[in-house]
Amino acid sequence: DSGVTQTPKHLITATGQRVTLRCSPRSGDLSVYWYQQSLDQGLQFLIHYYNGEERAKGNILERFSAQQFPDLHSELNLSSLELGDSALYFCASSLDRRANEKLFFGSGTQLSVL
Amino acid sequence: AQKVTQAQTEISVVEKEDVTLDCVYETRDTTYYLFWYKQPPSGELVFLIRRNSFDEQNEISGRYSWNFQKSTSSFNFTITASQVVDSAVYFCALSDLSETSGSRLTFGEGTQLTVNP
Repeated sequence: DSGVTQTPKHLITATGQRVTLRCSPRSGDLSVYWYQQSLDQGLQFLIHYYNGEERAKGNILERFSAQQFPDLHSELNLSSLELGDSALYFCASSLDRRANEKLFFGSGTQLSVL
Repeated sequence: AQKVTQAQTEISVVEKEDVTLDCVYETRDTTYYLFWYKQPPSGELVFLIRRNSFDEQNEISGRYSWNFQKSTSSFNFTITASQVVDSAVYFCALSDLSETSGSRLTFGEGTQLTVNP
């Protein structure tokens, strides 16, 4: 068990809808990362938050947004969903924000857009 | 731009065989970090090792060993005497060194390793 909790584990929704994925990092970790894993794109970095502030953006669509709350949990909001958004969304956490830190991944949220 | 290539999409071996997973990377940075993560059937990514670009010493951890060669931009992973429990997808990853981006990883495509009894 990595100590990172993601909910829900599975999410089935329709095109055009909006969903929110939630992540609770390991106790004491200040950084939260979101990654997307899909068959055609592989594992891709979406966004990084450190202690409530956005630190870096990757290949995140404008329809997607995220935030990290004062209690350090994070939410990834996906709106105007398309079929191609179907993927496994991972949250990961680390203690600080250094490039050499190992990440602790949650078990992911499997999103299916029908 | 950074890039990680894992040319082996799938590897199948019989238990107790040794197996090497290849990883080749591209980066313009002179300082960088390389990682291997394991994704078992349960789906969760698990950290295995990290290596910084200044340390080319090979590392061994039990049945696992890693060979980092900066001259060929490779960071290969060998499992000795493979076991069924080693069956998983293995990802090689490269970290962007920018202080502001933390451990922002560029992942390879992954290698699906199947160890048959």
